[in-house]
Formats: sequence, C-alpha cells, structure tokens
Amino acid sequence: DAMVIQNPRYQVTQFGKPVTLSCSQTLNHNVMYWYQQKSSQAPKLLFHYYDKDFNNEADTPDNFQSRRPNTSFCFLDIRSPGLGDAAMYLCATSKQGAGANVLTFGAGSRLTVL
Amino acid sequence: GQNIDQPTEMTATEGAIVQINCTYQTSGFNGLFWYQQHAGEAPTFLSYNVLDGLEEKGRFSSFLSRSKGYSYLLLKELQMKDSASYLCAVKDSNYQLIWGAGTKLIIKP
Repeated sequence: DAMVIQNPRYQVTQFGKPVTLSCSQTLNHNVMYWYQQKSSQAPKLLFHYYDKDFNNEADTPDNFQSRRPNTSFCFLDIRSPGLGDAAMYLCATSKQGAGANVLTFGAGSRLTVL
Repeated sequence: GQNIDQPTEMTATEGAIVQINCTYQTSGFNGLFWYQQHAGEAPTFLSYNVLDGLEEKGRFSSFLSRSKGYSYLLLKELQMKDSASYLCAVKDSNYQLIWGAGTKLIIKP
C-alpha cells in the first residue's frame, strides 16, 4: 500500500543533543510537509516543499532545519532541542494545486526532551 | 488574523448523534477539511467541502455555509471507536491550511 512512513516513532533525547527525524513516501506526491503538534493544539506548520522548492514558515525557529534529497525522502533536523520542543512531529504529503489535495500523514514521531 | 474556532471537548452516548461545529475567519477560502485524530496517532482525512451544502459519507456528514463562515461534522450511530479529536482545517487564498485546535469527542456507553 502506498503510504507515508516516519522514523523513529519515539525519540528520547537530552537537552541540546541534535535529533534527526525521517519521513519517506511511496505516494509520489510532490508536496511534503513537516508539522509540530503539542497536546490538544492545532498542528503547526514548520516547513513545506513543492518538489525541491523549500518554504520556511516565518515563525519557525532557526533551531529547526529540513532536507529533501529526493521526491521520496524528507528529514527534520532539530539542532539543539529544548524542553519546549517536546512534541509530536508529523510528516504529510499531498499533490500540488487547486482542489482537495488531501494531506496524507505519517504515524508521527513523538519527541521527548530530558 | 486567521482563526478557526471549535469546541474544546464534547461528550456523547454510544448509538446517539453528535454535531461538532467549526467557525472560521480566513483570508479567502478554497475548501474546508475535517480530519479525525485518535490519541497519539496522526490525523486521517474524513471529508472535504468547497461548495455550500451537505456532503454525506456513511455515518459521517459535513455541512458548509461559506456566507456564515461555518461548518459542522455530524456523526450518527456513534461507536466507541469514534472517541477521538476532530480537526477542522480551512485552505485560504494562498492554498495554505489553517488548522483548528480540534474537538475532543468522548463517547460513553
């Protein structure tokens, strides 16, 4: 089945220790997104790519970086995690353009910062 | 600013009907989505409305009134597995998704 796969599902790190989260997709969607979601809050868009065209949200901290080496893979790097970065990180994909373009989400990576 | 409002939490009884409301104020409108999110899991797509009216899909229906900036999600014949958060999201004039914080639905036997 075509899908979006995130690794790891659970990540525990220490304050300030870099973390990389990965996302892969078999849907051949050209748009990929990284969201941060804290408990009982709306998903917050961090970045998105139209193909290799990178779009950084204005309020995404510099501590967060992203890479998309090819259509299928995308990475989220958190350079120096703080306690406030503990959250669920959701990767999603969609087709580009007008219309429904439903987002398909991965299962998420839950980050704990000690 | 752009805003999506939903009730924080609702409780309903198994077998009953529940309506979850969503009001929005966005810069432009290019469609409204409802997603279901079980605790600790990713959101999954439920419905999409771009024209006024009711869209029915099995036990779930979604309604849109663009003039009122209003939508609702109607869940019939509630089952325990429907206990989840329901997220309303609007695509604005730039085709960016604006998300609500979600409504946590608790189903009681």
